[in-house]
Parts: sequence; structure tokens; C-alpha cells
Amino acid sequence: AQTVTQSQPEMSVQEAETVTLSCTYDTSESDYYLFWYKQPPSRQMILVIRQEAYKQQNATENRFSVNFQKAAKSFSLKISDSQLGDAAMYFCAYRRTHAGNNRKLIWGLGTSLAVNP
Amino acid sequence: DTAVSQTPKYLVTQMGNDKSIKCEQNLGHDTMYWYKQDSKKFLKIMFSYNNKELIINETVPNRFSPKSPDKAHLNLHINSLELGDSAVYFCASSQGWGSDNEQFFGPGTRLTVL
Repeated sequence: AQTVTQSQPEMSVQEAETVTLSCTYDTSESDYYLFWYKQPPSRQMILVIRQEAYKQQNATENRFSVNFQKAAKSFSLKISDSQLGDAAMYFCAYRRTHAGNNRKLIWGLGTSLAVNP
Repeated sequence: DTAVSQTPKYLVTQMGNDKSIKCEQNLGHDTMYWYKQDSKKFLKIMFSYNNKELIINETVPNRFSPKSPDKAHLNLHINSLELGDSAVYFCASSQGWGSDNEQFFGPGTRLTVL
């Protein structure tokens, strides 16, 4: 069974600095998707970034980028120039690509990120 | 315009009661989900419907019954509420079974059972 592990329950970063959130996963599949979701205090779950496993190039969305290491099964999120609005829970998630009806996301336990002014 | 909406946002009720949470999406998606997030923030899928058909049904007590009257709605009815049902329940939707279908989440419903 696939699992997703986020080993950092809490992280903090100074405003304008860079922080990296770690995520590792376990799967025997070769094709899959990886996601980072953000959950601010408002509770809304917001997709931050997505990576297809068959793509070697790391995904980037503005200040958010990932370091995808397929062999190591690692998918870390880097937030550059951190802003106060980045404070939130961040969830890493995995989904099989060719899974028939079983397209559910497998979630990590989350990392709570605090941004200090 | 809200993409995925849930009502109510807060629900406080007594043990043993029956309650419903409604979810609606105006994105034209054909797949909808219910998740439960416990006090430790662990997010777990409960159900998924595709074109009004139940696709995913995780190990959930049969006190929980989803109902999808149409593709835009997926309601969650809970019978005989228990203390352990207290959590935040999220509805989500996505388009089809394509490999890169992003899930859009509702704002959540915080259920407190006293």
C-alpha cells in the first residue's frame, strides 16, 4: 500500500526567507502524481503545486517549487521569499495514475508552517 | 462565485441526533468526495461519487450515508451521532478520472458532537 510521510510536524521561517518542507512516499508504481496542498486557518484546502512522476523537471509555481527525487521517493516543497500569508498547514499527497476506480489521494499528516515577521 | 460550497459551516449537536451536511459544486465536475479531518489534522477520504455512482467507500460506519441527487450535489447524512464523529468534514470535486484532475475543496464543516 502506498504511504506518504511528512516528518516535520511543525516548521517556522522568517519572513522573506526560504523554507523547505519534506515529504517522502512509498510506492511500487512507476506512474503517479504528487501534490502539495495548503490549508490556511480558514480551513480551505488549496492546491499549491503538482508533479507528474514521469516528468524529470521539477514543478514550479511562482515562489513555490519542488525537489522531486524519484529514486529516493522524495518530494520536498521549497517556499522562497516567505510571506505572512504562507502560514498554514501543508499536506503532501500521492495518487496513482492508472488506478481504475481507485483514484483516491493518499495524504501525509501535514506540516504546520509558521512565518515570523 | 464559490466553486465548492458546504452548508452548514458549523454544526453543534447532541449525541444520538441525525444530521446532514450539504455540498454543491458549480464547476461542472462529475466527481465528488467527502473527507474527514480529525483533531490531529489527519485527512481521510470517506466516499467518492462519479456521475452519481459510488466509486470509493472507505471503511466508514454505515451511520454515514452519502446521497448524490445529481452530479453537482453530494450530501452526507449521519445517523445516531457519536462523540467520535466530531471533526471537520470537507467536500471536494474534480473533473473525471483523468490523471491530473485537481481536487477543489469546499470550506469545510466543523461538526461538534456534545
